Amino acid sequence: GNSVTQMEGPVTLSEEAFLTINCTYTATGYPSLFWYVQYPGEGLQLLLKATKADDKGSNKGFEATYRKETTSFHLEKGSVQVSDSAVYFCALTLGPNAGKSTFGDGTTLTVKP
Amino acid sequence: GAVVSQHPSWVICKSGTSVKIECRSLDFQATTMFWYRQFPKQSLMLMATSNEGSKATYEQGVEKDKFLINHASLTLSTLTVTSAHPEDSSFYICSARDGGAGGYTFGSGTRLTVV
Repeated sequence: GNSVTQMEGPVTLSEEAFLTINCTYTATGYPSLFWYVQYPGEGLQLLLKATKADDKGSNKGFEATYRKETTSFHLEKGSVQVSDSAVYFCALTLGPNAGKSTFGDGTTLTVKP
Repeated sequence: GAVVSQHPSWVICKSGTSVKIECRSLDFQATTMFWYRQFPKQSLMLMATSNEGSKATYEQGVEKDKFLINHASLTLSTLTVTSAHPEDSSFYICSARDGGAGGYTFGSGTRLTVV
């Protein structure tokens, strides 16, 4: 079956530090990959996505590159801010006409001033 | 962009009562919507796939008689938690495919507390 494995948290960084949250996946076929962010008490918001190998998704300073050879989609940001504190979920779906999404367990990021 | 509106955002109910949660696609039609449940500090677990005009497809272990799903139109799906118990307290989130390449839009979630 399909699965998503995320780096365990929580992750605590100082403001302006470099962020990496690892995500690897297992899927039959060629999935689309997503990063979602969940702020405290809120629902999920799409952060970025990539639909095919070597695509790079980017948004709000965050980036992730779809690496088929390593089945990875690691999230990175060069300089985090306190406002980036949230839970980050890596997810996959199998193509644009696919059904349900498969989520990783989430990684809690706390950025301290 | 595509917007999914979920209502209510939070609800407190007494044990034994039923609660209805609505999920609306505001600017697109959604033939399929998904209902997820999230326990504190855990990931999202798919409960069921809601199909417009037909019966929902439930994931293994989800009681279909307890979590009633109705998808009567292309823009509205509802989840009714029947005879709620404290263990049903959770964060429920819906999502819909917005027609973009692999794009799914999530509602803002409903925090249900059963007392």
